[in-house]
Order: sequence, then C-alpha cells, then structure tokens
Amino acid sequence: EVQLLESGGGLVRPGESLRLSCAASVFRFSAYAMTWVRQPPGRGLEWVASVSASGATTFYSDSVRGRFTISRDNSMNTLYLQVTSLGAEDTAIYFCGRSLSSHPRATAFDIWGQGTVLTVSS
Amino acid sequence: QSVLTQPPSASGTPGQRVTISCSGSSSNVGNNAVAWYQQLPGTAPRLVIYSNDQRPSGVPDRFSGSKSGTSASLAISGLQSDDEADYYCAAWDDSLMGVFGTGTKVSVL
Repeated sequence: EVQLLESGGGLVRPGESLRLSCAASVFRFSAYAMTWVRQPPGRGLEWVASVSASGATTFYSDSVRGRFTISRDNSMNTLYLQVTSLGAEDTAIYFCGRSLSSHPRATAFDIWGQGTVLTVSS
Repeated sequence: QSVLTQPPSASGTPGQRVTISCSGSSSNVGNNAVAWYQQLPGTAPRLVIYSNDQRPSGVPDRFSGSKSGTSASLAISGLQSDDEADYYCAAWDDSLMGVFGTGTKVSVL
C-alpha cells in the first residue's frame, strides 16, 4: 500500500529545534514533489513548505521562512522538516503530502501521512 | 495566512446539492489550478478535486469542481451523511507559496 509515515514530533520549549521525518513506501519517491502542511489545534490547514522531486528547489511560507528547512533523501525515501526557533504559534499537527507532479509549484497532494504532533510550550 | 476565502459553513438534507465557494485573487486562483480537500475529524485531508475540475480515482462523481476568474466552487450532489466534513480549497500563489482556504464545515441535516 502506498503510504507516508511521519515521526519526530513531541513537546519542546520555545526557542528549541526539532527534525520531523516522513518515510515513504511502495512508490517511486524520487519522482514526486513533496510538501509539509500543518494544522494548529482547532484551526484550518496551513501550507508550510514544498520541495521538488530532486530536492534542488524549495519554497516556504512567510511564517516559517528562515526558521524551517525542508529537505529529502531520495536514497532513503524520506522527507524532512528541520524546525528551529520554535514558538507557541508553531504548535500543530504536521502532515506530509505527495504532490501529483514532480515540480513543487502545486497544491494537489494525493497521498498524506497520518500526521505528527508538535507542541511548543514552556 | 489564508488568502482564500470560504464560507464558514454550509448544510443540506440527504440527497440535496451543496455548493462551496472559494474566493481568491489574480495571483492564486485566477492564475493557478485549484484543488479541494475533504477532512473528516481527526484524519488527514483527502484530495477530492485537482486541476480545478478533475477527480482523483476513487472519488465519486457526486463531487465536482469549477473555476471562473478568481473564484472556484466545489459542488456535492446527492448529499450523504458521510459527506459531513470540513472542506478546503488550495492554490499556488505567484508569490511562490501555497495557500489554503479558510475552510467550510459541511453539515448534513
């Protein structure tokens, strides 16, 4: 079964860092752009970042640019999100998603993980 | 930082047709493809429409999408109880980022 599995979330203090991972299985990971989307408690979906199939091109939302880094290891079929300088506003469920295309300038994601919860609190 | 505006709620009785709007601008909806997602409580989003009006495999033809100018719409015909969920539109913005809509809660009365 084609699937994505996130991990790495947890409870961290303001200002700390963390790396989220998203492991892909049963599809040709290197052929698809990938994305991270988050959802704060009780609120709507927020696009966070996208990366091209090769990993060479990345895009970020204004709210995370300069603090978060999206990357991928196609040999390990894994997507990453390095998050730094965390604040309470970053508390959310973080989902990874597979784009329908190889380029990252798109918002059609057909496969999603179950999400990993990141809580920022002192 | 949602820049796509949706009505907060929509409702209908079983069998009715419900339409959800998504209002954007020339830099997102007006110039890029729109996708729609269904999200049941406690679950990940599910893609129901892409490229404005295309249905992924497995999505019933009761779901349809359209776009005109800077607005897009999702229609659900033959409303069923398991259509009760939150629905979000999404589009790429020419400022080089993705944007989601504010979300619409669909209730089946």
